[in-house]
Amino acid sequence: GAVVSQHPSWVICKSGTSVKIECRSLDFQATTMFWYRQFPKQSLMLMATSNEGSKATYEQGVEKDKFLINHASLTLSTLTVTSAHPEDSSFYICSAHRGKDQPQHFGDGTRLSIL
Amino acid sequence: GENVEQHPSTLSVQEGDSAVIKCTYSDSASNYFPWYKQELGKGPQLIIDIRSNVGEKKDQRIAVTLNKTAKHFSLHITETQPEDSAVYFCAASTRQSNYQLIWGAGTKLIIKP
Repeated sequence: GAVVSQHPSWVICKSGTSVKIECRSLDFQATTMFWYRQFPKQSLMLMATSNEGSKATYEQGVEKDKFLINHASLTLSTLTVTSAHPEDSSFYICSAHRGKDQPQHFGDGTRLSIL
Repeated sequence: GENVEQHPSTLSVQEGDSAVIKCTYSDSASNYFPWYKQELGKGPQLIIDIRSNVGEKKDQRIAVTLNKTAKHFSLHITETQPEDSAVYFCAASTRQSNYQLIWGAGTKLIIKP
């Protein structure tokens, strides 16, 4: 069964709205979680690494003030897209692993559509 | 930094035949190579992985081979079935990069009935 749960699976909202996406590891503690963005027919693009109890590490070109990440517990990381605009519309996916040398397990993604 | 190339971008095979997807990587320090299957509208699902101390790994109809000298690894699916239709991604990572995954571009596998 799923080991990483991601909610919501689909969000449609107006421009200017902030949207929060949750990622939970279901049966293990994850000190590190990852947030990806995927455009249609493309590969996964790492946005940031979420570290429990500390600041997230953002990839080059990703606006940290636009994409707020909070990893408040060992089983939950959240991504908040602040003041979302149509260009933020995308498929967002999180992942988590049991340890640094363990496989990453992915949530089922969140389809974000900004009108 | 690491770069992973994946071929082909689309692969169409007859049901029951075998499918092979190939990836090459650039960083000789890469030591972990997972393969993921992504169905439409879903997140990637790990189907098999291999570490650099092993040359081949098999799980039922799926196998992965690794050639460290040539820096390439391949996914082999035998006796393909309609449910194998999906996009497959290879990836590579190193201990030095904190096991961050570097992804291939993906292969759309189409199984023709």
